[in-house]
Amino acid sequence: AQTVTQSQPEMSVQEAETVTLSCTYDTSENNYYLFWYKQPPSRQMILVIRQEAYKQQNATENRFSVNFQKAAKSFSLKISDSQLGDTAMYFCAFMKHWGGGADGLTFGKGTHLIIQP
Amino acid sequence: GAGVSQSPSNKVTEKGKDVELRCDPISGHTALYWYRQSLGQGLEFLIYFQGNSAPDKSGLPSDRFSAERTGGSVSTLTIQRTQQEDSAVYLCASSTRTSGAGNEQFFGPGTRLTVL
Repeated sequence: AQTVTQSQPEMSVQEAETVTLSCTYDTSENNYYLFWYKQPPSRQMILVIRQEAYKQQNATENRFSVNFQKAAKSFSLKISDSQLGDTAMYFCAFMKHWGGGADGLTFGKGTHLIIQP
Repeated sequence: GAGVSQSPSNKVTEKGKDVELRCDPISGHTALYWYRQSLGQGLEFLIYFQGNSAPDKSGLPSDRFSAERTGGSVSTLTIQRTQQEDSAVYLCASSTRTSGAGNEQFFGPGTRLTVL
C-alpha cells in the first residue's frame, strides 16, 4: 500500500511571494504518477500539476513547478508570484502505473495555503 | 462542455435511513471514481468503475455501501442504514481512459452528507 505525507497542515505567505509545499510518499512501485490538486472553498478539486515517475525532468505549469526527487520519494510544489486566488487546500496524490484492482488516487492530508494581501 | 455533476449537493438524513448519491461523469469518460472526504480520515478512495464494471470493491468502508454504474455513464453510490460516521463529502471523478495510465481525474463538486 502507498502512503502520502504532507507535513504542513497550514501555511501563510504574502501575495507575490514564492511558497513551497512539501510532500513525501512511500511505495514499492517503480512506475507511478504524482499529482498536486487544489481544492478551494467551493470544494471543486482542480488538477494543478502532474508528474510521471519515469520522467526525470520536473513538471512545470506556468507559476507552478515541482521538485521531484524519486530516490528520496519527495514531491514538493513551488508556487511563484503567489496570488490571492491561490488560497486553497492543496493535496498531494499518488497513483500506481497499473492498479489492476483498486486504482484510485492516494491522497495526503492536505496543506491549507493562505495568501495574504 | 459540462463537467462532472453530482446530486444532491447536500443531503441531511436521519440515522438508519438509506441514501443514494448520484454522479454524472463527463461524456465519453470510461473511468469513474468515488472518494470520501471527512475531517478525521481525509480523502479516501472508495471504488472505481471501468465501463460498468467495478473490478475491486475492497475500498468500500462496509457492506452498507454499494455502487453501480449503468450504460457506462451515470453512477449511484448507495449507503444503507446510515450511521453518523458516514457524514462526509462524497466526491466523484471521471477520466478518459482506463485507470492506471495516470490520466487526469476530473472531479465533481461533491455531495455533503450529514447523518443526524
